[in-house]
Amino acid sequence: GQNIDQPTEMTATEGAIVQINCTYQTSGFNGLFWYQQHAGEAPTFLSYNVLDGLEEKGRFSSFLSRSKGYSYLLLKELQMKDSASYLCAVRDSNYQLIWGAGTKLIIKP
Amino acid sequence: DGGITQSPKYLFRKEGQNVTLSCEQNLNHDAMYWYRQDPGQGLRLIYYSQIVNDFQKGDIAEGYSVSREKKESFPLTVTSAQKNPTAFYLCASSIGGDISGANVLTFGAGSRLTVL
Repeated sequence: GQNIDQPTEMTATEGAIVQINCTYQTSGFNGLFWYQQHAGEAPTFLSYNVLDGLEEKGRFSSFLSRSKGYSYLLLKELQMKDSASYLCAVRDSNYQLIWGAGTKLIIKP
Repeated sequence: DGGITQSPKYLFRKEGQNVTLSCEQNLNHDAMYWYRQDPGQGLRLIYYSQIVNDFQKGDIAEGYSVSREKKESFPLTVTSAQKNPTAFYLCASSIGGDISGANVLTFGAGSRLTVL
């Protein structure tokens, strides 16, 4: 079967750096997405990786290794507003999105 | 501003009743989707539509129905046949059903359905 694994919950300190990992086992690969979702709100798009390597976008970066079935989202200079769930999703060989359960990130002052 | 509007935000239903969740977008997107979100699980696709008057079942379509009579609208009906309908429902859209490139999803704010 297809599977996306993410840690359920992480805690970090304001101003620090946190890395959220995502490992996947899917039927084929056609891109990996990260979305941010604040409690009770709509998920919003953060990043898209289809080739190996690091994509940087301001305080957020996303890394992909297709050979290892692995990605991470790196958040720098953490702010309280970064407290949210972070969803990893992989598009498989049928171009269907497979979603992880999300990682709840708690930022402490 | 362009976006997706879902209504109602909260909905309570008695067992045996059908309810319809509204989803309207003004982004001029061709593709629209309905997802269900349950605690501890990833988003699960209920139905999707790539063009007006056409839609396909997702992974968990049983007990749900949809229509796509207008490009802007993609309502979801939760029927009494859905055994466990209490969940958070998310509507999304993307520029095209074409899967090339990122094809980023834009989500609505969600509708929380509770069956009493």
